[in-house]
Amino acid sequence: DAKTTQPPSMDCAEGRAANLPCNHSTISGNEYVYWYRQIHSQGPQYIIHGLKNNETNEMASLIITEDRKSSTLILPHATLRDTAVYYCIVTRRGKLIFGQGTELSVKP
Amino acid sequence: NAGVTQTPKFQVLKTGQSMTLQCAQDMNHEYMSWYRQDPGMGLRLIHYSVGAGITDQGEVPNGYNVSRSTTEDFPLRLLSAAPSQTSVYFCASSRDLGMDTEAFFGQGTRLTVV
Repeated sequence: DAKTTQPPSMDCAEGRAANLPCNHSTISGNEYVYWYRQIHSQGPQYIIHGLKNNETNEMASLIITEDRKSSTLILPHATLRDTAVYYCIVTRRGKLIFGQGTELSVKP
Repeated sequence: NAGVTQTPKFQVLKTGQSMTLQCAQDMNHEYMSWYRQDPGMGLRLIHYSVGAGITDQGEVPNGYNVSRSTTEDFPLRLLSAAPSQTSVYFCASSRDLGMDTEAFFGQGTRLTVV
């Protein structure tokens, strides 16, 4: 599975969009990009996933570059409850291998 | 619909004791897995199962045993607990090992080995 690189931490103002980047330059053609988050050491929560096309659901949008070497998770209107560690995972076998993630702090 | 249920939520063991962490899901999912998370770290995969009777090792399997006799249950056994196994343990399940599926996680078991 491809390795991912994420910034260790980011801040975002409440009500603004949070844009979390992920680099996966070694991704192969049949690997999906997944995003999960973990709030206060609770169990991780699924956010969104995609293969090639941009995806949107009620929680977030996922933008994947045309060459698929990087992606961005967008939380359109961040709230204090979005403060969490966000994990970007690339896998073709369905097994989720977690990295260190990005710790997002949403500030009033 | 309970999702993924882990028991107990907290446990303190003495070095050398054995115990079983329970994990049950009611979504008829084929794929189940166990992770551990040490302070300030990401989750690491211990063992996983793609269906009843089938298990395999993950990234950090040493010191842990698993079995999968039913679709619903996937217990994790510590045969002789060590302080290095102090961690938070998460169980997860998903429909299958396919790529286009989301995983559901339990709320964790916080284990301390003294």
